[in-house]
Amino acid sequence: DAKTTQPTSMDCAEGRAANLPCNHSTISGNEYVYWYRQIHSQGPQYIIHGLKNNETNEMASLIITEDRKSSTLILPHATLRDTAVYYCIVRVANTNAGKSTFGDGTTLTVKP
Amino acid sequence: DGGITQSPKYLFRKEGQNVTLSCEQNLNHDAMYWYRQDPGQGLRLIYYSQIVNDFQKGDIAEGYSVSREKKESFPLTVTSAQKNPTAFYLCASLRGGSNTEAFFGQGTRLTVV
Repeated sequence: DAKTTQPTSMDCAEGRAANLPCNHSTISGNEYVYWYRQIHSQGPQYIIHGLKNNETNEMASLIITEDRKSSTLILPHATLRDTAVYYCIVRVANTNAGKSTFGDGTTLTVKP
Repeated sequence: DGGITQSPKYLFRKEGQNVTLSCEQNLNHDAMYWYRQDPGQGLRLIYYSQIVNDFQKGDIAEGYSVSREKKESFPLTVTSAQKNPTAFYLCASLRGGSNTEAFFGQGTRLTVV
């Protein structure tokens, strides 16, 4: 599975959009981009995933560049409860998520 | 409600003792995983199992053992051979097939004194 690179930390004002970048320059054509978040001392929670098209759900939007070498997770109106560590991973569909490397993620702090 | 349950949430053991962490899921998922997380760091894979009676080592399997006798259960034993067992342990499961996401338990925080 491809390795990902994320900034260590980011801040965002409450009510503003939070844009979290992820680089995955070695991604293969059959690998999906997944985003999870982990609130302190809890298990990670799935947010969204995509292959090449942009995706949106009730939690967030995922923008994947045309060359698929990077992506951005967008939380459109960040709240204090969105403060968490956000992980970007890539993995091949039809295989186990366990072989995916989570890395250290981005610590997002939403400030009042 | 379906989900994945880890117990206990907090666990204390004396150095040199083996300890077993429980992970149960009623999601009918085929694959299950164990991760370790140290303070301020990401998740590292210990063991995973894609089917009953089969499991594979992850990146940091030394000092750990698992079993997968039932689809619903994937217990992790932290043995006395694990040099630094104090950590936060997370279990996850995944339904087989394409385009699926992993579900995580709430974790067990193990402290060895």
